[in-house]
Amino acid sequence: DTAVSQTPKYLVTQMGNDKSIKCEQNLGHDTMYWYKQDSKKFLKIMFSYNNKELIINETVPNRFSPKSPDKAHLNLHINSLELGDSAVYFCASSQGAGGRAQHFGDGTRLSIL
Amino acid sequence: GENVEQHPSTLSVQEGDSAVIKCTYSDSASNYFPWYKQELGKGPQLIIDIRSNVGEKKDQRIAVTLNKTAKHFSLHITETQPEDSAVYFCAAPRGSGNEKLTFGTGTRLTIIP
Repeated sequence: DTAVSQTPKYLVTQMGNDKSIKCEQNLGHDTMYWYKQDSKKFLKIMFSYNNKELIINETVPNRFSPKSPDKAHLNLHINSLELGDSAVYFCASSQGAGGRAQHFGDGTRLSIL
Repeated sequence: GENVEQHPSTLSVQEGDSAVIKCTYSDSASNYFPWYKQELGKGPQLIIDIRSNVGEKKDQRIAVTLNKTAKHFSLHITETQPEDSAVYFCAAPRGSGNEKLTFGTGTRLTIIP
């Protein structure tokens, strides 16, 4: 009974392709996030949704488009993949958006060839 | 915006000894300070957090101290065990509603048996 689950765990693809990562949480939380962790382990917020509404949109290229069909799901679609997109992408969730404990999935390792 | 500095970047301690990791933050409005543990191939896991209205919080072998005046907070692990080996991240919130977490750069802790 995984709390925050992401699929796929690994994603290897060619430059220029379009790919999606899916995230689901069964904690009943109302806020979900996407983070990017680079090769140096730097962890940076990309997007956040609260009750399906986008509340955080950091300076991320518009090739990245999040979508939240309901409170339990947050997907990330990436167009025209570039070498610099190689990273581990983490989904997280929390109850409430400010100053709350965030629960992370185990990540999706994206490798661009 | 919030700037979070974390030291040291690597730390090796003998099993049974204590480990201390320190973080400083810049935004005096920050009011929530979590610590995360990330094991290899896993997502960050919240291990302890503290709010700005208290100076110290303890949970078994783990404690966090907060000095709001100096804008720094520390993680203390006592009686370290091999399973404490991991990368540890501090974080501090930013944004009008403290909805964005800025993470420190991480500390790789190695426990020597």
